[in-house]
Amino acid sequence: SYELTQPPSVSVSPGQTARITCSGDALPKKFAFWYQQKSGQAPLLIIYEDNKLPSGIADRFSGSSSGTLATLTISEAQVEDEADYYCYSTGDSDSHNWVFGGGTKLTVL
Amino acid sequence: EVHLVQSGGGLVTPGGSLILACAASGFNFTDAWMTWVRQAPGKGLEWVGRIATKRDGGTADYGAPVRGRFVISRDDSKTMLFLQMNSLKTEDTAVYYCAAGIVPARWGQGTLVTVSS
Repeated sequence: SYELTQPPSVSVSPGQTARITCSGDALPKKFAFWYQQKSGQAPLLIIYEDNKLPSGIADRFSGSSSGTLATLTISEAQVEDEADYYCYSTGDSDSHNWVFGGGTKLTVL
Repeated sequence: EVHLVQSGGGLVTPGGSLILACAASGFNFTDAWMTWVRQAPGKGLEWVGRIATKRDGGTADYGAPVRGRFVISRDDSKTMLFLQMNSLKTEDTAVYYCAAGIVPARWGQGTLVTVSS
């Protein structure tokens, strides 16, 4: 079955840039989406279709995709950005089945 | 405002069944593909499955771990989404979320299902 691979953890100091990667064989043909999940809360969509920002999401969040690697970038990371981040995509040609990456714990301190 | 209010859940013994419900409001439910996602304690998000709109065929697709045991259905007249879970295993223990969209942008509050003897 299709898999998306993320690093388990990323750590940055406040004000630095954090980059979280997501690797998947179908990413050259399929969009990547990114979710933020803070402790005890439902996930929040923060990037859609590789690099688009939903309304209300801070513009320090950005996304990119090249080949089999999608990247979430958090510029000038803040303590409040500490959360788990998940990429989401499909490996199916007809998009019948979707999958989340394993998640990346971002620590900002 | 979009609301997804979940009900059901609780403790069930292995091999048992349970049904989760999700009441939707604030958007055109009939035109929305709906998704179920779960999260085992201390683990990551797992896609359970999704159901198409009636107009797009109303079919459901499932992740491999639940295929053949879980059934997703919808009642557009009541704007309700359901997850029927059969032959439950201990590894199905998780918080289950209903969500609106193939790429969910709105989520329910989550409901805990515990499978244990």
